[in-house]
Amino acid sequence: ILNVEQSPQSLHVQEGDSTNFTCSFPSSNFYALHWYRWETAKSPEALFVMTLNGDEKKKGRISATLNTKEGYSYLYIKGSQPEDSATYLCAPSGSARQLTFGSGTQLTVLP
Amino acid sequence: GAVVSQHPSRVICKSGTSVKIECRSLDFQATTMFWYRQFPKQSLMLMATSNEGSKATYEQGVEKDKFLINHASLTLSTLTVTSAHPEDSSFYICSVPDRNGNEQFFGPGTRLTVL
Repeated sequence: ILNVEQSPQSLHVQEGDSTNFTCSFPSSNFYALHWYRWETAKSPEALFVMTLNGDEKKKGRISATLNTKEGYSYLYIKGSQPEDSATYLCAPSGSARQLTFGSGTQLTVLP
Repeated sequence: GAVVSQHPSRVICKSGTSVKIECRSLDFQATTMFWYRQFPKQSLMLMATSNEGSKATYEQGVEKDKFLINHASLTLSTLTVTSAHPEDSSFYICSVPDRNGNEQFFGPGTRLTVL
């Protein structure tokens, strides 16, 4: 899988704002879409793994949707908090289960 | 999720020396581990797949003689950057897939600086 694109590249929001990011990927040879949250000096933390078209997953204030036919996924954060500041990575995987990462969206939540 | 450790977290070395980075799966045995590299302002790029008991599988453009991978046991994979040069300076990070291969758990990474 090539050409994984994430937008925006960076984002500053005020505490309490809701925000969303986009991940687009080629829809061929698709197996799963992974979202990770990566804070500085820590290991990337898995948020969601989605496989089916139309999948929606939620974890607290964070949710994600998946459209495999058109090749995109959205990540939503409701009521952003400063502790949400991190880089959010998406990575589709193919049948070999290997991940191809986008360049990430760097989120800064201002208090 | 699973705990994956990496050692060292940061290393600075002189050009021409070799550097070994360890990746350990602390929670479960792993027959496969993945090694990634990240250059500044770029995405994580898969370098190779480490296979316990057999040779590693390298991605296109990654020199296998330059980046030696040894999957010594079911909980340990090592990446050795041989004869390091400044252009090898990068962030190296490993991951361990879960038993189903559906999720990957990452180590904290190693920052290599070659002077």
